[in-house]
Amino acid sequence: DAMVIQNPRYQVTQFGKPVTLSCSQTLNHNVMYWYQQKSSQAPKLLFHYYDKDFNNEADTPDNFQSRRPNTSFCFLDIRSPGLGDAAMYLCATSRDQAYTQYFGPGTRLTVL
Amino acid sequence: GESVGLHLPTLSVQEGDNSIINCAYSNSASDYFIWYKQESGKGPQFIIDIRSNMDKRQGQRVTVLLNKTVKHLSLQIAATQPGDSAVYFCAELNAGNMLTFGGGTRLMVKP
Repeated sequence: DAMVIQNPRYQVTQFGKPVTLSCSQTLNHNVMYWYQQKSSQAPKLLFHYYDKDFNNEADTPDNFQSRRPNTSFCFLDIRSPGLGDAAMYLCATSRDQAYTQYFGPGTRLTVL
Repeated sequence: GESVGLHLPTLSVQEGDNSIINCAYSNSASDYFIWYKQESGKGPQFIIDIRSNMDKRQGQRVTVLLNKTVKHLSLQIAATQPGDSAVYFCAELNAGNMLTFGGGTRLMVKP
């Protein structure tokens, strides 16, 4: 089945220790998104890639970076995680902008 | 600013009853809306969508109604089952073609 895969499902890191979260898709979608979701809140868009074009949301901290080496993969790098970065991180894809977004299962990040 | 919001944070229904989850939006220019279901510890799952040229769309046990006059969106779930227990988000496609999510409603189904 075509799908959006996120690894790992659970990630524990230490305060200030860089961490990378992974997303892959078999849908061959042009657009990939990263969202941050804290408990009992709606997902908040961090950034997205339209093909190779990176689009950062204005309020996304510089601590968050992303890479998309090819159509299938996209990575979220958190350079120096703080306690406030503990959250669920969701990857989503869409065929194009203005199309339905399909979400992966998420990675739950814990910062000690 | 533009926003999408929900009226009720928690909805409790009896198994077998119908559920109605409501959502208000403020951007009258929005032309695409989506309902997502999110179970605990999982990513949001697409349920149904609707474009502004429609006022009703039906899926399997779900119906979305769009009232553009009052900028209101609702999700109706027929014969609610325990597996329907989740948080439901409405989302609106904003002017930048990005999704703006509402605050979410938790649906609890009592056996």
